[in-house]
Amino acid sequence: ELKVEQNPLFLSMQEGKNYTIYCNYSTTSDRLYWYRQDPGKSLESLFVLLSNGAVKQEGRLMASLDTKARLSTLHITAAVHDLSATYFCAVALYSGGGADGLTFGKGTHLIIQP
Amino acid sequence: DADVTQTPRNRITKTGKRIMLECSQTKGHDRMYWYRQDPGLGLRLIYYSFDVKDINKGEISDGYSVSRQAQAKFSLSLESAIPNQTALYFCATDGTGKGETQYFGPGTRLLVL
Repeated sequence: ELKVEQNPLFLSMQEGKNYTIYCNYSTTSDRLYWYRQDPGKSLESLFVLLSNGAVKQEGRLMASLDTKARLSTLHITAAVHDLSATYFCAVALYSGGGADGLTFGKGTHLIIQP
Repeated sequence: DADVTQTPRNRITKTGKRIMLECSQTKGHDRMYWYRQDPGLGLRLIYYSFDVKDINKGEISDGYSVSRQAQAKFSLSLESAIPNQTALYFCATDGTGKGETQYFGPGTRLLVL
């Protein structure tokens, strides 16, 4: 059974600071996703990481993947209030023709204060 | 127009009632999924479908059924709703591109009284 663990589950930080969200998963997978969710909204895709050592950056967010350690990180640089949201990592298992659906972590609720 | 749409967006029903949640997509994807989200639990997979003839159970399929009426349409039914099925339900689609993400609909908020 695939398990995905995120930590921390709750994070309050100040604007301008840096921080990292961690995502560990229990079974080999070659696809790791990061999503953002604002209150009452749907999930917005941030990154899809496909291979060991993959690194992607978009603005103040950078995601990386270490498949050997089964670990992905989402790093926030110089946080701003607009990044306040809940962040989910998810891992895909594959069989036959495609993904058997995503297994999600519980999410990290991020609050960025002035 | 949104690529993945869900109807209704909000629904209140009573215990024991049968209800259907509908999902449509214009992305041309073969793979479609239903998830539910509960506070503090993330999203969990209910059912998924690779094409019209391929339906698969996910982690929490008990109490639910699905119908894939066409490539673009995937419906989720609660045969006899119960209060612990109160949740936010999301439909999603997945493309075949190697780096492609899963695209989520806007969600249906369901309250079972």
